[in-house]
Amino acid sequence: DAGITQSPRHKVTETGTPVTLRCHQTENHRYMYWYRQDPGHGLRLIHYSYGVKDTDKGEVSDGYSVSRSKTEDFLLTLESATSSQTSVYFCAISDSQGSGGYTFGSGTRLTVV
Amino acid sequence: QKEVEQDPGPLSVPEGAIVSLNCTYSNSAFQYFMWYRQYSRKGPELLMYTYSSGNKEDGRFTAQVDKSSKYISLFIRDSQPSDSATYLCALGRLGANSKLTFGKGITLSVRP
Repeated sequence: DAGITQSPRHKVTETGTPVTLRCHQTENHRYMYWYRQDPGHGLRLIHYSYGVKDTDKGEVSDGYSVSRSKTEDFLLTLESATSSQTSVYFCAISDSQGSGGYTFGSGTRLTVV
Repeated sequence: QKEVEQDPGPLSVPEGAIVSLNCTYSNSAFQYFMWYRQYSRKGPELLMYTYSSGNKEDGRFTAQVDKSSKYISLFIRDSQPSDSATYLCALGRLGANSKLTFGKGITLSVRP
């Protein structure tokens, strides 16, 4: 999607290994979000950021950490991947919080075997 | 009670049908109402945005908000196979660190 890219697009990893997903934006938006999407659960917020080095937990943050050292990059790390973290991960950006729409990336399909 | 409830679907209709997708919500603090469309293996994209009760039209799509009854709807007229996608409602409110609340989504299939 224009202005936001996620990498990698697909990844297969083994249980117990660390994994880092990257979200990069060129829109200079303040807010960035990581979601996971699973059948029957919809989009669930993992972590979000409201500025450089300012991050907070979402509803499903256990087993995940994030970092944002630059406005344009928001990294999601699975510290020790488990099969329950097999999912599609979406990054989103916004220039406002509750009142604005989000722009989503194309997603990362992660499989933990 | 969940903050946002969306009909689970899936929904299958013939081409040309009028489609009605609905969400209900429980928190009257929600002031901003959105519909996202998500094609298979893609990210959600913003389809409609409104912040007032009433109807908002954009081509074949109409977003309807009824704040008194706490429900929102998306109507698709003359549905096309290209409308086949998952539709998610999203609600927002003002406030520090407030975030959008999403419905779980409903998958629509329009049969040629």
